Parts: sequence; structure tokens; C-alpha cells
Amino acid sequence: AQTVTQSQPEMSVQEAETVTLSCTYDTSESDYYLFWYKQPPSRQMILVIRQEAYKQQNATENRFSVNFQKAAKSFSLKISDSQLGDAAMYFCAYRSRGTYKYIFGTGTRLKVLA
Amino acid sequence: GAGVSQSPSNKVTEKGKDVELRCDPISGHTALYWYRQSLGQGLEFLIYFQGNSAPDKSGLPSDRFSAERTGGSVSTLTIQRTQQEDSAVYLCASSLEAPGLAVNTGELFFGEGSRLTVL
Repeated sequence: AQTVTQSQPEMSVQEAETVTLSCTYDTSESDYYLFWYKQPPSRQMILVIRQEAYKQQNATENRFSVNFQKAAKSFSLKISDSQLGDAAMYFCAYRSRGTYKYIFGTGTRLKVLA
Repeated sequence: GAGVSQSPSNKVTEKGKDVELRCDPISGHTALYWYRQSLGQGLEFLIYFQGNSAPDKSGLPSDRFSAERTGGSVSTLTIQRTQQEDSAVYLCASSLEAPGLAVNTGELFFGEGSRLTVL
């Protein structure tokens, strides 16, 4: 069965600094999606960034980028120039392309210090 | 609507009462999911709908939980004879995805959730 592991329950970063959130996953599939979702105190989860496994190039979205290491089954999220609004829970998620089921990690709470 | 809408936002009920939670997905989204998020925990899958059908109900914790979807749109999650361990945030998400659809981005769109507190 597929699993997603986020080993950092909580992280802190100084405003304007860079932070990396870790995520590892386990699967025997070769074609899948990986996601990072952000859940602010308002509770609504928002997609931050997605990666398709067949693409070797790491996805980037403005200040957010990933380090996708397929062989190592690692999918870390780097947030550059951290802002106070980045403070939230961040969830890593996996989905095999041929299925509908998403597997979520337990989340990392990110605190941004002014 | 513009986004996924859930109601009520917060619900406090007494143990043993029944509750209904509603989800109104993004118009045209055929896939709909219910998740449960307990304090400090990740997301626990409850049920998946494709149109009005629920091909996967495997995450429903007990027979006190049921869900339906009508008209391929609004879904209702019903919890009968609530227990204190049912206290959680119930999240609904929708997606444009469907089997065989050419463009499947994989993105889920979430509502703000319904926080259920059972006293």
C-alpha cells in the first residue's frame, strides 16, 4: 500500500528566509502525481504545487519549488523569501494516475517568525 | 458557485443526536470526496463519489456514517447517534476528474470544512 510520510511535525522560519519541508512516499507505481497543499487557520486547503512523476523537471510556482527525487521517493517543498502569510499546515499528498484515491501525510505546521 | 461550499461551518451537538453535513461542489465537478480531520491529524478518507455513485465507501468508520449525492452535485454526510469520537473537522473536496477524461490535472478543490463537536 502507498504511504506518505512527513517527519517534521513543526518547523519555524524567520521572515524572508528559506525553509524546506520534507516528504517521502512509498509506492510501486511509476506514474503518479505528488502535491503540496497548504491549510491556513481558515481551514480551506489550497493547492500550492503539483508534480507529475514522469516529468523530471522540478515544479516551481513563484516562491515555492520542489525537489523531486523519484528514485529516492522524496518530494520536498522549498519556500523562499518566507512571508507571514505562509504560516499554515502543509500536507504532502500522493495519487496514482490510474486511481482516484489520494494519500495524505500527517502534515507539517510551519511558523513564520517576524 | 465559485468554490466548494460546506455547511454548517460549525456544529455542536449532544451525544446520541444525528447530524447532517452538506457539501456543494464546484459546478461541473464529477468527483467528490469526504475526509475527516481530527485534531493534529492528517486527512482520513471517508468516501468517494463519481457522479451520484459511490464506488468507494471503504473509509466510513461505522454503519452510523452514510453519505449520498444527488443530481451529481450536492452531497450530504449523515452521522447517526453521534459519539464524542466523531468530533472532528469534516472536509469535502471536488475534482473535475473522471475516468477516461483527457485532461486530468489531479487537483482537488476543498471547502472550508464543517467542525463537529459532540458533547
